[in-house]
Amino acid sequence: ETGVTQTPRHLVMGMTNKKSLKCEQHLGHNAMYWYKQSAKKPLELMFVYNFKEQTENNSVPSRFSPECPNSSHLFLHLHTLQPEDSALYLCASSQVALAGSEQYFGPGTRLTVT
Amino acid sequence: RKEVEQDPGPFNVPEGATVAFNCTYSNSASQSFFWYRQDCRKEPKLLMSVYSSGNEDGRFTAQLNRASQYISLLIRDSKLSDSATYLCVVITSSGTYKYIFGTGTRLKVLA
Repeated sequence: ETGVTQTPRHLVMGMTNKKSLKCEQHLGHNAMYWYKQSAKKPLELMFVYNFKEQTENNSVPSRFSPECPNSSHLFLHLHTLQPEDSALYLCASSQVALAGSEQYFGPGTRLTVT
Repeated sequence: RKEVEQDPGPFNVPEGATVAFNCTYSNSASQSFFWYRQDCRKEPKLLMSVYSSGNEDGRFTAQLNRASQYISLLIRDSKLSDSATYLCVVITSSGTYKYIFGTGTRLKVLA
């Protein structure tokens, strides 16, 4: 398998549920990112990991909790979400974090919070 | 003023037409620029980097105008398959790098 993969591709969850999004990159990159894309808004960077260390957290609510066990895997743990959290969640990777290099995106998880 | 601005469109053009989009940015210290393509309900995919001297990849030409602080994307001989949203990405550095995405310009190529 190549590139950046994400599972699940679609997720519907209630506000009291706990779920996790998974991302895996097969590009040998050292940096991974979580983005949120809502309708008619630009991509919002949520978290950045560089060599497994979190380097950025852009004021994301604590109901989103990232985990990066190694440079190839990234998780986003979700709990007690709100309906406004419904969006497309995209994972991306790059050679190193935020060093001006291009990012490669996974297909995203379309999340609906009911 | 937004950090990165794009005309949302849609730009409706006939097949074979030439179309150009601009993306303006507010931070004069911006260092790197990219164009991404995003199909409906899909992830953004890197289309091309934008180099200072301008660069071309087949039917696509990217230009950077630092004086006026914009980048452009020109598509020649438009194909139906070019229909998508085109996102510009502007990267600035002030200690750490910051990636800023535009909201995208939607292109529809009509038969």
